[in-house]
Amino acid sequence: GAVVSQHPSWVICKSGTSVKIECRSLDFQATTMFWYRQFPKQSLMLMATSNEGSKATYEQGVEKDKFLINHASLTLSTLTVTSAHPEDSSFYICSAPVRQGETQYFGPGTRLLVL
Amino acid sequence: QKEVEQNSGPLSVPEGAIASLNCTYSDRGSQSFFWYRQYSGKSPELIMSIYSNGDKEDGRFTAQLNKASQYVSLLIRDSQPSDSATYLCAVWAGGFKTIFGAGTRLFVKA
Repeated sequence: GAVVSQHPSWVICKSGTSVKIECRSLDFQATTMFWYRQFPKQSLMLMATSNEGSKATYEQGVEKDKFLINHASLTLSTLTVTSAHPEDSSFYICSAPVRQGETQYFGPGTRLLVL
Repeated sequence: QKEVEQNSGPLSVPEGAIASLNCTYSDRGSQSFFWYRQYSGKSPELIMSIYSNGDKEDGRFTAQLNKASQYVSLLIRDSQPSDSATYLCAVWAGGFKTIFGAGTRLFVKA
């Protein structure tokens, strides 16, 4: 199957700083990628849809100025958590489909801890 | 709004038993269906995809689809403690988008 990578796998930062998470499709081109957030023992929550060459689409309740998404190439999407606070501590996961109607391939996730 | 519903569980079965996980979806026009497994602290991984009515078997896993009833299920035969995880049902929502259910937690007791 297709491979999606994320970097970093975990990050600890101080409150008020910004953190960038990268999501790469390693062996396919992804015009669309998805960003999810998951709190402990809770469901996967879709945050936004990242579209190559255009603006991301955010789900209701997700602050687009706080979670900046850039999809500058067909293999890379980045999520920047700006001015992170402890409540942003979570497990962030990206995914990408190879083709419409087919499975999503998930990255391994990035665990963020904001102190 | 398109929805995918799962019983959150936990579903507890003894080792060696059959675990049955169920999912219903709201969009009658859905064409692609997926089951993912997510271990604690890890990201989801695909177990099976199913596109046509009926059963699809892969090893100990069988996916069942009934489009008329808008129902998809996953059976795990000879359940093992290593099968303990959260199982996510997902339905293609058009374009590149997939809608995920909240997941069912499965515990397999040794």
